[in-house]
Amino acid sequence: EAQVTQNPRYLITVTGKKLTVTCSQNMNHEYMSWYRQDPGLGLRQIYYSMNVEVTDKGDVPEGYKVSRKEKRNFPLILESPSPNQTSLYFCASSFVGQVYEQYFGPGTRLTVT
Amino acid sequence: GNSVTQMEGPVTLSEEAFLTINCTYTATGYPSLFWYVQYPGEGLQLLLKATKADDKGSNKGFEATYRKETTSFHLEKGSVQVSDSAVYFCALSGDRGSTLGRLYFGRGTQLTVWP
Repeated sequence: EAQVTQNPRYLITVTGKKLTVTCSQNMNHEYMSWYRQDPGLGLRQIYYSMNVEVTDKGDVPEGYKVSRKEKRNFPLILESPSPNQTSLYFCASSFVGQVYEQYFGPGTRLTVT
Repeated sequence: GNSVTQMEGPVTLSEEAFLTINCTYTATGYPSLFWYVQYPGEGLQLLLKATKADDKGSNKGFEATYRKETTSFHLEKGSVQVSDSAVYFCALSGDRGSTLGRLYFGRGTQLTVWP
């Protein structure tokens, strides 16, 4: 089954404790992206990647890191999480020529206390 | 820059009512326009798209027409069902420079349909 998976689905952590949210897709997509969804703000792009070893900042990259060492994986790293990073995070992927048709993962709800 | 503005929610309708969710955009160049839908507890799914002016996208009874003169892409459905209850996002994709390959989303509109 074609899908984007994210882990964990739910995470409660404390300020400053490094964490990684994994994202994996099995559709051989070149393009992958991370979004955060906040009430009243919709989806905002954090980082995206057009292919292996190629990453670019989205609209809200501060406090986040990403890497793209393999085509199928695109982990999101929060090296020192803060309460303002409490949010619902989505990973998405697509073919580069069809970026509009992104396949979204189920989401990761992160709470930073 | 590129941006999308859509009507504030929530929208509450009775089953079989007519639905309109307004969406307007600001963009450089010739963007493509989309509606995504997010059902409870799930990620977003592409609902329909239009890639040039006057195109009409349609899917599952929903329609939207790309109106360049009014920079709008309003979502409509003639008769909503309870199963249409979801959050709807209008989006555009950039077509040049640093915006190429990126999606810009509106804030989303919550639709609730009562039986």
